[in-house]
Amino acid sequence: KAGVTQTPRYLIKTRGQQVTLSCSPISGHRSVSWYQQTPGQGLQFLFEYFSETQRNKGNFPGRFSGRQFSNSRSEMNVSTLELGDSALYLCASSLIRQGGNTEAFFGQGTRLTVV
Amino acid sequence: GQQVMQIPQYQHVQEGEDFTTYCNSSTTLSNIQWYKQRPGGHPVFLIQLVKSGEVKKQKRLTFQFGEAKKNSSLHITATQTTDVGTYFCAGRPNTGNQFYFGTGTSLTVIP
Repeated sequence: KAGVTQTPRYLIKTRGQQVTLSCSPISGHRSVSWYQQTPGQGLQFLFEYFSETQRNKGNFPGRFSGRQFSNSRSEMNVSTLELGDSALYLCASSLIRQGGNTEAFFGQGTRLTVV
Repeated sequence: GQQVMQIPQYQHVQEGEDFTTYCNSSTTLSNIQWYKQRPGGHPVFLIQLVKSGEVKKQKRLTFQFGEAKKNSSLHITATQTTDVGTYFCAGRPNTGNQFYFGTGTSLTVIP
């Protein structure tokens, strides 16, 4: 079974630009979550999508948005990039069972550098 | 809001010494998961604890869930260089289905 795939792996953007990151979950997983990871800040939750609907949202500004398609693939978009947006963006997929999500399977991440 | 804190943030140990990381939640948790992230890698699931006072073992790793289901710990016996990485806990409150990740503990093992 293929794992979670994130593209691109690395990205360099200029301040003010916008960026779109892609995540393909494990087949059969309908929940996709996005995290921002920076040194010293740990894993900051961005949002979770399930069946094309945003189910949970973290404390990030409106510049961060996402969506999920009918095949469960997800994208996240960051507009008007700031230097502080430089980070590793991780996507995780999981199954939904009675009692909540099962374990999260993470992708390799997209390393975004804003210059 | 929901917070999951981990201590210590960093830990350096000599190979062969034991290591423990602690996870504390501001609210009661339904369950808690632990993940390991190797340097340059992504978090990988280790285990899930569900019951109050539960203890689970994986070889040299021992995981505990507190009686009040608000804290958890991961203990590694006789650390090896392969244990290097950052260990995260992730707790799910009784209400809702979102997991909140702890701040992580970065473990360095000195050979």
